[in-house]
Amino acid sequence: DIQMTQSPSSLSASVGDRVTITCRASQGISNYLAWFQQKPGKAPKSLIYAASSLQSGVPSKFSGSGSGTDFTLTISSLQPEDFATYYCQQYESYPLTFGGGTKVEIK
Amino acid sequence: QVQLVQSGAEVKKPGASVKVSCKASGYTFTSYYMHWVRQAPGQGLEWMGIINPSGGGTNYAQKFQGRVTMTRDTSTSTVYMELSSLRSEDTAVYYCARDAGNIDYWGQGTLVTVSS
Repeated sequence: DIQMTQSPSSLSASVGDRVTITCRASQGISNYLAWFQQKPGKAPKSLIYAASSLQSGVPSKFSGSGSGTDFTLTISSLQPEDFATYYCQQYESYPLTFGGGTKVEIK
Repeated sequence: QVQLVQSGAEVKKPGASVKVSCKASGYTFTSYYMHWVRQAPGQGLEWMGIINPSGGGTNYAQKFQGRVTMTRDTSTSTVYMELSSLRSEDTAVYYCARDAGNIDYWGQGTLVTVSS
């Protein structure tokens, strides 16, 4: 199975900050990488697929990059509604696997 | 608009089975595979498997092989996930999620509680 490792596991940031989350795959996955946002008590929301493509309706303050084994999710200017947990997920091969999550909290 | 509406919360005893449904609307049901993903309390996301609503073919995570069965009813655009031999560690929220080459839409989740 492909292991997905996210860092950091949590971070504190202020409104307006630029935030970057990293995700590393245990083997190359080309660009078969997705990012999800989850708020407490809610279902995950799909943000990014194919490492850098925004899902329909997702604001452009979210961006993704990377290929192979190393990926990043960047939020350009953190807003109150962005405080949540973020997960990466590889879909290059089954079983699909998720990173452990990064909780973005208010400083 | 795409909607995935799941069945309500369940409480089961250890050793029992649970069957969760996910009714799809707003798109052609047989054109998109469907995943099942679960999340234990305070934990991350765990992939359970996928079903092809067109032919019914499935691919299950090895961890759940022998305990999970995913089926579909094309007449009602509904997919089902049945998990048997439940144990306390199966207490989790279970999500269905549509596959468009990648996961794009999620159901609202169904809480399954396993307790004696």
